[in-house]
Amino acid sequence: AQSVTQLGSHVSVSEGALVLLRCNYSSSVPPYLFWYVQYPNQGLQLLLKYTSAATLVKGINGFEAEFKKSETSFHLTKPSAHMSDAAEYFCAVSKAGGYQKVTFGTGTKLQVIP
Amino acid sequence: GAVVSQHPSWVICKSGTSVKIECRSLDFQATTMFWYRQFPKQSLMLMATSNEGSKATYEQGVEKDKFLINHASLTLSTLTVTSAHPEDSSFYICSATPLPSGRGPPRPEQYFGPGTRLTVT
Repeated sequence: AQSVTQLGSHVSVSEGALVLLRCNYSSSVPPYLFWYVQYPNQGLQLLLKYTSAATLVKGINGFEAEFKKSETSFHLTKPSAHMSDAAEYFCAVSKAGGYQKVTFGTGTKLQVIP
Repeated sequence: GAVVSQHPSWVICKSGTSVKIECRSLDFQATTMFWYRQFPKQSLMLMATSNEGSKATYEQGVEKDKFLINHASLTLSTLTVTSAHPEDSSFYICSATPLPSGRGPPRPEQYFGPGTRLTVT
């Protein structure tokens, strides 16, 4: 079975400050890992994905995440928060190989303070 | 690219009636489509996985006779909530996985529709 744990259901940062959203995964097989963002009353948008290539993955809107096998982590970062980054962020895991069921974390709501 | 649409975006129906929600991949063909349910301030719960031309695979605890899924083509899947009750009120989201290009590997990411807000009165 696979699972992800997102530490902190709510994170607040000041505009211009570093964004760090934490995600730890559990998987008995090599995983694929994803970060999605959800704005109110909308579906999810893929920010970035790790599929066993480079461990540092760059995504859209200036976000990046680093896969650390030794720490079973896939934390999401952005150097400088923007007001438009305020949203709900979901970490997700699936088995490597494609077409696999994805398991989502419980989400982290990011608040950006002006 | 990789746009998924859902229709309707919101619907209100009376208890006991049925509601159909459509999920379409607009600019790609989808091998697999997924249906999720999301309660307020919670994560997505996978309801079922559907592949074109075959029966959907339902997650444990999801009633297949209540949530009918039809995956008629590589670009369209429908979810019908039959005999809806107030407890079925929720945000329903579909997603789709693109067909691999040529002999390329399967693409693991899912592209999500904007969701359908169902309210049963």
